[in-house]
Amino acid sequence: GQNIDQPTEMTATEGAIVQINCTYQTSGFNGLFWYQQHAGEAPTFLSYNVLDGLEEKGRFSSFLSRSKGYSYLLLKELQMKDSASYLCAALGAGNMLTFGGGTRLMVKP
Amino acid sequence: DSGVTQTPKHLITATGQRVTLRCSPRSGDLSVYWYQQSLDQGLQFLIQYYNGEERAKGNILERFSAQQFPDLHSELNLSSLELGDSALYFCASSVWDLLRGKAGELFFGEGSRLTVL
Repeated sequence: GQNIDQPTEMTATEGAIVQINCTYQTSGFNGLFWYQQHAGEAPTFLSYNVLDGLEEKGRFSSFLSRSKGYSYLLLKELQMKDSASYLCAALGAGNMLTFGGGTRLMVKP
Repeated sequence: DSGVTQTPKHLITATGQRVTLRCSPRSGDLSVYWYQQSLDQGLQFLIQYYNGEERAKGNILERFSAQQFPDLHSELNLSSLELGDSALYFCASSVWDLLRGKAGELFFGEGSRLTVL
């Protein structure tokens, strides 16, 4: 089976940096994905990691350590519009993409 | 606009009834997924199809069934509805290209919000 854990909620200040962690256990690992979901809307793809290391894309970066079953999403220069849920997802055995419960990020002025 | 179309957007029905949710994937995407999201819950994987064939199955109830047609659109059938089936049902599609790391890059529709009274 697959198991994905991430914090339920986080709060950060506008302009700051926040790191959202995710740990996963899966067989047949084929990649780790991060999605953003605003309340009541569809999730949208943010990033993909399959090799160890950091992938940077503008204000967002994602890190993966396969040996530790660990990933994080780093958001810099936080803006109010970044208030959303951030979903960690692992592509595992059977090519099934399993999502974590999501981390609800609240950005305060 | 992700290019994935879901209908209906909203649906209100009674317990014991049956409904069908429809999904048209992005042009060129062969893989379709169905997810259920209850209030303040994560995305629960239901089922995946690839080019008309079932590829992976999650915790989908026996009362639920799905299929992908030759034109690649998909339908999710929910029967003997219960109050607990009230949720947002998302369809997503992808090109399913493992080699280019595209397998997990899903494009989601806006969802079908089902309310069972």
